[in-house]
Amino acid sequence: KQEVTQIPAALSVPEGENLVLNCSFTDSAIYNLQWFRQDPGKGLTSLLLIQSSQREQTSGRLNASLDKSSGRSTLYIAASQPGDSATYLCAVHSRASGSARQLTFGSGTQLTVLP
Amino acid sequence: DVKVTQSSRYLVKRTGEKVFLECVQDMDHENMFWYRQDPGLGLRLIYFSYDVKMKEKGDIPEGYSVSREKKERFSLILESASTNQTSMYLCASSSPDGSNQPQHFGDGTRLSIL
Repeated sequence: KQEVTQIPAALSVPEGENLVLNCSFTDSAIYNLQWFRQDPGKGLTSLLLIQSSQREQTSGRLNASLDKSSGRSTLYIAASQPGDSATYLCAVHSRASGSARQLTFGSGTQLTVLP
Repeated sequence: DVKVTQSSRYLVKRTGEKVFLECVQDMDHENMFWYRQDPGLGLRLIYFSYDVKMKEKGDIPEGYSVSREKKERFSLILESASTNQTSMYLCASSSPDGSNQPQHFGDGTRLSIL
C-alpha cells in the first residue's frame, strides 16, 4: 500500500528566504505526483503536477522535482513571501492501488513566512 | 476557470439525522471524489465515482453513501449522522485516468454533528 510522508511537519522562515519542502513515497509505480496548497479552513488548490516521465515542473516562484526511483519529490519556493503561508500537501496517483483513480496524500507541511 | 462548488461551507446537524452534502463541478469531469480531512489523519477517501450512477468505495465508506444521477453532481449522504462524523468534507473532480490532469477541489464543508 502506498504511503506518503512529508517532512518537516511545520516550517517557519523569514520573508525572502528560498526554501524546500520534502515528500517521499514508498511505491515508485505512479502515474503522477501533485503538490497542493491549503489555506486555513479552505479547500485544496493544485499548484503543480509532475507526470511520472518528467523530472520537474515550474510555475512562477515554484519548482517541483521528482525522483521516481528513490521515491522523492521536492517543492522549491523562491523568495518566499508572507502570502505563501499555508499548508502544502503532496499527493501521489499510484498505479498499484485497487483503483488507479485514487490519490494518496501526505500529512502536509505547515509553512509560515514571517514578515 | 475550473470550478467545484460545495453547497455549504458550514453545517450543524444532530445525531441520527440524515445529512446530504452536495457537490457540483462545471468541467464535464468523469471522476468525482469525496474526502474527509481530520487533524492528524490527513485526507481520507470516502467514495468516488467515475461515471453517472457508478460508485466505488474508498478507504472509509462505513456510515456513508453517495449518489451520482447527473455527471456534474455528486452527493454524499450520512444515513444516520454520528458525532464521529464531525469533520471537514472535501469534494474533488478530475478528467479520466491517463489524462495526467490534476484533481480540482471545492472549498470544503465543515460539518458538526451535535
